[in-house]
Amino acid sequence: RKEVEQDPGPFNVPEGATVAFNCTYSNSASQSFFWYRQDCRKEPKLLMSVYSSGNEDGRFTAQLNRASQYISLLIRDSKLSDSATYLCVVNRWGTGRRALTFGSGTRLQVQP
Amino acid sequence: NAGVTQTPKFQVLKTGQSMTLQCAQDMNHEYMSWYRQDPGMGLRLIHYSVGAGITDQGEVPNGYNVSRSTTEDFPLRLLSAAPSQTSVYFCASTPDRSWVATLGGELFFGEGSRLTVL
Repeated sequence: RKEVEQDPGPFNVPEGATVAFNCTYSNSASQSFFWYRQDCRKEPKLLMSVYSSGNEDGRFTAQLNRASQYISLLIRDSKLSDSATYLCVVNRWGTGRRALTFGSGTRLQVQP
Repeated sequence: NAGVTQTPKFQVLKTGQSMTLQCAQDMNHEYMSWYRQDPGMGLRLIHYSVGAGITDQGEVPNGYNVSRSTTEDFPLRLLSAAPSQTSVYFCASTPDRSWVATLGGELFFGEGSRLTVL
């Protein structure tokens, strides 16, 4: 089983739609969580951190469910510019190896 | 601001050749790392360094060497290229030396190096 699993998509949605992605992680000792965004043939960039209480940044909302070991990203009022791959990222706490583990990403295509 | 600079951006090698991917950052970041990205696999950590003179292995270190003689530079060496090393390689850095203190943080990536091994 992969440490971080995501539905690869693609999610094809019209402009203005609300779309949600889920991500599951296997290491229950993981402490910190992030969503990164990667445009086609570009480098990943941090979109937002995910806090235990949930957090919002404009049209983006991230949630964490420790009991079920998943995190989610909700995008409201989708824009064409939101088209990208969204990477779920988890801190590998307690493994003695200081690194982030990346999911393989969920591709979003927002259509006019 | 240059940020994280990787060279070359594209490279084609023949099986058995060796080469070095260069990574330099001008942000005085202590932590630097190399990832490879393959379709459907996500980014996988090859090697990382928490400061000059200190390196450690990641998930997929075989076939790669690294060194960290300065804070700024973290080159990745392919010893004897194989077709399985065809990938996109990303160098990433962060100011945080201590993951314990910060529980991870933002990684700043270079633009990537696309390597094809024939």
